[in-house]
Parts: sequence; C-alpha cells; structure tokens
Amino acid sequence: RKEVEQDPGPFNVPEGATVAFNCTYSNSASQSFFWYRQDCRKEPKLLMSVYSSGNEDGRFTAQLNRASQYISLLIRDSKLSDSATYLCVVNPSGGYNKLIFGAGTRLAVHP
Amino acid sequence: DTAVSQTPKYLVTQMGNDKSIKCEQNLGHDTMYWYKQDSKKFLKIMFSYNNKELIINETVPNRFSPKSPDKAHLNLHINSLELGDSAVYFCASRPGTLDTIYFGEGSWLTVV
Repeated sequence: RKEVEQDPGPFNVPEGATVAFNCTYSNSASQSFFWYRQDCRKEPKLLMSVYSSGNEDGRFTAQLNRASQYISLLIRDSKLSDSATYLCVVNPSGGYNKLIFGAGTRLAVHP
Repeated sequence: DTAVSQTPKYLVTQMGNDKSIKCEQNLGHDTMYWYKQDSKKFLKIMFSYNNKELIINETVPNRFSPKSPDKAHLNLHINSLELGDSAVYFCASRPGTLDTIYFGEGSWLTVV
C-alpha cells in the first residue's frame, strides 16, 4: 500500500461547480498534513495546511479524519484558475523526516 | 526576491556525462531537500540536509551525491548520467520540523 494515495483524476468540472478530492495515508502516527497545488511545469506550492478541527480558506475547505486516516479538500464555486494538480502531503512522523507526496489529483475547470 | 533558487533551469546533456545542479535559499531555513519528479509526475524525496548535516538519504544510486557547503546551499552532483535520470529535480527548504516546505522552480534535466 502506498504511503499516500489519491484519486488521480482527471476531474473535469464546469465553472461554478463544487469538487471534492480525497486522500488516504497509511501511517497512523502521521503528524501534519497539507494540500499543495502544482500548475503545469511549475513547482508545487502550499495551498493550505490541514488541521484536526478542519479549516477553511475562502472557497477551499480541508478536513482531516485521523480515525479513518483520510484527508479531503473541497473547492466551492470552481474557477478556471483552479485548474491544476492538487497534491496531498503527509509528514509521517514529525522531526526532520521527509514529507510524503501523493501522486496528485488533476482538476480541469472548463467554461 | 527568489526564496529558493536553483540553476540551471534547463539542462540537456548526453549519457555518461557528469552534471551539477545548484540550489540556494535566502529564507534562513535550517533544512533543505532534493526531490525528483519523474514523467509520471510523482514527487519523491532523494536527500535532506539539516544545518549541513545529511539526515535523509533515500534509496538513490550512488551516482547522485549531494553537497551542502553551508545551510543556505545544497547542490546535487550526478555522475555518469543515464536516460532514466531525465526528470525535474526540485530543491526545497523548510524552517522547522512541522512546517511545510518551499520549493524552487525546478531543474528540467533531459539525458539524451
């Protein structure tokens, strides 16, 4: 089983749609979680951290379910500019350890 | 003001050559990384340094050798390049143990 698994997509949605991405992680001791966004031929950039209580940043909502080892990202009112690959990222055990990246879920928002 | 900068951005070279990619961060972070993103877009960690000390060394061929002359720099030297080394190599830095990481723009390596 991969350490971080995501549905690869692509998700093709019209502008204004609501879309949800899911991610599961294998290490129950994982301590911190993030969603990154990567545009074509660009570096990954932090979209938002994911907290146990859930958190929202404008149209984006992230949820964490530690019992199920599951992370989600909800995008409301999709914009054309949201088209990108969304990477689920897990810090498996804190310290200086590596961040583990999922393979990403591709989103294409069309007019 | 580029926070994490790497050079060169594009590199095309022949099999068997030796090449280096340089990385510098001006964020004052203690930890730096090299990640590799292959043609399937999967990002995998290669190495990590904390204050010039190697702390992560994944299963990477020993043709790849990182060097950190100081905590602001982490270079990657690759010997005897192979076709399979073609990928995007991202340098990154991180301020603390639970914080997120910041990537450079990537170095596109093509081995022909």
